[in-house]
Amino acid sequence: AQSVSQHNHHVILSEAASLELGCNYSYGGTVNLFWYVQYPGQHLQLLLKYFSGDPLVKGIKGFEAEFIKSKFSFNLRKPSVQWSDTAEYFCAVKVLGTGANNLFFGTGTRLTVIP
Amino acid sequence: ETGVTQTPRHLVMGMTNKKSLKCEQHLGHNAMYWYKQSAKKPLELMFVYSLEERVENNSVPSRFSPECPNSSHLFLHLHTLQPEDSALYLCASSPGSGGAFIDTQYFGPGTRLTVL
Repeated sequence: AQSVSQHNHHVILSEAASLELGCNYSYGGTVNLFWYVQYPGQHLQLLLKYFSGDPLVKGIKGFEAEFIKSKFSFNLRKPSVQWSDTAEYFCAVKVLGTGANNLFFGTGTRLTVIP
Repeated sequence: ETGVTQTPRHLVMGMTNKKSLKCEQHLGHNAMYWYKQSAKKPLELMFVYSLEERVENNSVPSRFSPECPNSSHLFLHLHTLQPEDSALYLCASSPGSGGAFIDTQYFGPGTRLTVL
């Protein structure tokens, strides 16, 4: 079945540590890719997105993600996390050409940053 | 403030009740969505409306009934729900027009629904 996988369910880091959250998808066609973030008590909001062009995309708050087509991956990175990055992070994939306007989400990764 | 508001934020209802969830977007978008967010599961798309017309219904039980009276408002009418329907219900909107949707979605804060 087609899916979006986020293998890390809960990641705990100290401030200033580097972050990489994995996202893999199983769709074979052209995709648009997204990372959404949900801070405690807040709504889901877009962190960054990839539609086409440079596979390394930069988002808000120092986050970036790299699309590696051959690996069906779109991992999220940040070189130095802060306590305020504590949140839940969701990867999402939009499959183009299917005629459906649907985002397929992963189950999310909870990030806890310890001061 | 995302421009997408949802009311109520919390709702507790019995299995025989009828209630409605409301979503309003102030972004001038043309497409609106209902999602269900359950613990340990991916967000599940329930309904998609584009220009007030339903374009997607991912096999959602009939006890959930959406209504989109205009491009700014979306409702989810609930009746005879089951305890397993307890979840966070998220509304989203996107700019999309016609058959070419723009994919960035803007989410509301959600309604936490508990069915007793």
